[in-house]
Amino acid sequence: GESVGLHLPTLSVQEGDNSIINCAYSNSASDYFIWYKQESGKGPQFIIDIRSNMDKRQGQRVTVLLNKTVKHLSLQIAATQPGDSAVYFCAENLGSARQLTFGSGTQLTVLP
Amino acid sequence: GAGVSQSPSNKVTEKGKDVELRCDPISGHTALYWYRQRLGQGLEFLIYFQGNSAPDKSGLPSDRFSAERTGESVSTLTIQRTQQEDSAVYLCASSLRRGGTDTQYFGPGTRLTVL
Repeated sequence: GESVGLHLPTLSVQEGDNSIINCAYSNSASDYFIWYKQESGKGPQFIIDIRSNMDKRQGQRVTVLLNKTVKHLSLQIAATQPGDSAVYFCAENLGSARQLTFGSGTQLTVLP
Repeated sequence: GAGVSQSPSNKVTEKGKDVELRCDPISGHTALYWYRQRLGQGLEFLIYFQGNSAPDKSGLPSDRFSAERTGESVSTLTIQRTQQEDSAVYLCASSLRRGGTDTQYFGPGTRLTVL
């Protein structure tokens, strides 16, 4: 069935290094993708989004890359900080569907 | 401005009891969503409201689950005859529903524990 999945369940990086979190999706009809950050005990927080007619979008310290050929999405965090430690979810909007479909999440741990 | 709020933040109940969870969306947001998040897992879509249109209930796991929304304001999610497998965090989100993108903003969730 249609799904959004993450390659790695956990990721540890040194403070100051760059982080890359990957996500695969299977529905070629998906036209909108979002990355969320979820800290312990809180709801998901919007980080950055990208439409399917783009292949790259940059925000503050974050960049999302979309490769439609291989149905792959990534989130790059520059100069990772301790406050970046959280679970990161990618989500897709499946064409005409209004709800988002979420992957299982990647736990990012920033090491001192 | 105020974000999405949910109440209660925590709810502990006994198996077989009914529970009601509340969501107050961001003012002006026409769309409202409910999701369920089991421990260590992603979010499962439950139900979607858009204005006065009929809700999309395709994600509700059983007929024990129901939700209501008054206009474009508060929504309540009701779980009847709760079961232990209903234990999860229930998250509400709202969005403006304009154009082709639909950024959803989430509340802090209600953690439900069924004993």
